[in-house]
Amino acid sequence: EPEVTQTPSHQVTQMGQEVILRCVPISNHLYFYWYRQILGQKVEFLVSFYNNEISEKSEIFDDQFSVERPDGSNFTLKIRSTKLEDSAMYFCASIGTGAQETQYFGPGTRLLVL
Amino acid sequence: AQSVTQPDIHITVSEGASLELRCNYSYGATPYLFWYVQSPGQGLQLLLKYFSGDTLVQGIKGFEAEFKRSQSSFNLRKPSVHWSDAAEYFCAVVLTGFQKLVFGTGTRLLVSP
Repeated sequence: EPEVTQTPSHQVTQMGQEVILRCVPISNHLYFYWYRQILGQKVEFLVSFYNNEISEKSEIFDDQFSVERPDGSNFTLKIRSTKLEDSAMYFCASIGTGAQETQYFGPGTRLLVL
Repeated sequence: AQSVTQPDIHITVSEGASLELRCNYSYGATPYLFWYVQSPGQGLQLLLKYFSGDTLVQGIKGFEAEFKRSQSSFNLRKPSVHWSDAAEYFCAVVLTGFQKLVFGTGTRLLVSP
């Protein structure tokens, strides 16, 4: 069964450093999402992406964040200058094009900012 | 405001007992409804979903959920809980197929021997 994959599974970085989280969505999907989950809290939407542009973004997704689909398979989330409060689990999700499609989630990347 | 509420933060159930996890939503229209499960340190796995039609939906791992429009609820049930069901359960909604998922705060299920 096709699945969403994410790399790395864990990343530790110093405050102020740039990080890039990578996702490979399901191959025939066209809508892509990033969510995050701060430890012990609920899953929060960050951004959605379709047709090579952002469809919607939350107030969390400020100028420090960017997304890109650099090729036909990868979907990346970049945090330019990490803050302590960026420490969280980041989930990528993708969805097909049917009217009743479901978002399928990757296993997540746990980011720890020191 | 649009919201998803899971009123129970923690629930403890004895193994073999039945389970019901509550979810209520507040939206102007009936959204699409989902239940996801998250085991410790793991990602989100879809248990079941409701888009339309039969209000009782069956999912994986023996779970089912019932949509009740009059109560704006989508409660998750399982007749007999197994120790492996211990996890965090999230209810989520979306208004249309491609919009963002809005998650509830989650219910942590503990299973006692």
